[in-house]
Amino acid sequence: NAGVTQTPKFQVLKTGQSMTLQCAQDMNHEYMSWYRQDPGMGLRLIHYSVGAGITDQGEVPNGYNVSRSTTEDFPLRLLSAAPSQTSVYFCASSSADEQFFGPGTRLTVL
Amino acid sequence: RKEVEQDPGPFNVPEGATVAFNCTYSNSASQSFFWYRQDCRKEPKLLMSVYSSGNEDGRFTAQLNRASQYISLLIRDSKLSDSATYLCVVPTGNQFYFGTGTSLTVIP
Repeated sequence: NAGVTQTPKFQVLKTGQSMTLQCAQDMNHEYMSWYRQDPGMGLRLIHYSVGAGITDQGEVPNGYNVSRSTTEDFPLRLLSAAPSQTSVYFCASSSADEQFFGPGTRLTVL
Repeated sequence: RKEVEQDPGPFNVPEGATVAFNCTYSNSASQSFFWYRQDCRKEPKLLMSVYSSGNEDGRFTAQLNRASQYISLLIRDSKLSDSATYLCVVPTGNQFYFGTGTSLTVIP
């Protein structure tokens, strides 16, 4: 079991560029989510999904899109990166009792 | 009011000390509560779950006070390896709300 995997681990973008953060899980969990973590702010929910084909917005969805075509994958898309999106991004996959996090993607937008 | 609030610390304690963190939550309907541990530049990992009045696992005790809407984490006989950030998590509906975390450093 790989658990939750995220790619890339590090990324530097220029303002206005687009990119997709990849997230995959092999635990057959229905619930997956994306968070961003900024100093002093804790983890904030960006988007989440309760199953394939179903997504919903979290606390800070602006500037991000998601889709869930399979149970395993939950990519996060930045359509036009902004410096305010510089952060550490964590993907999580959840059972009823526990969230399992990926190792994170450290994104810098210049 | 934030869904979940924690004292950010930092807490600096000597080895062997007992330390306690508190976390308050705003949704009185919340039924389950979690403490996660996060090491520097790593992902959070589950430390303890709390579903009723409390839970104990070795040196760690989590307690729930529904009337006052707070949960606490008590660490006894602190070890150097306990140095980390401790996150309080409260699921509400389909969302998990995280506190900002409490930083603990255990000093030799």
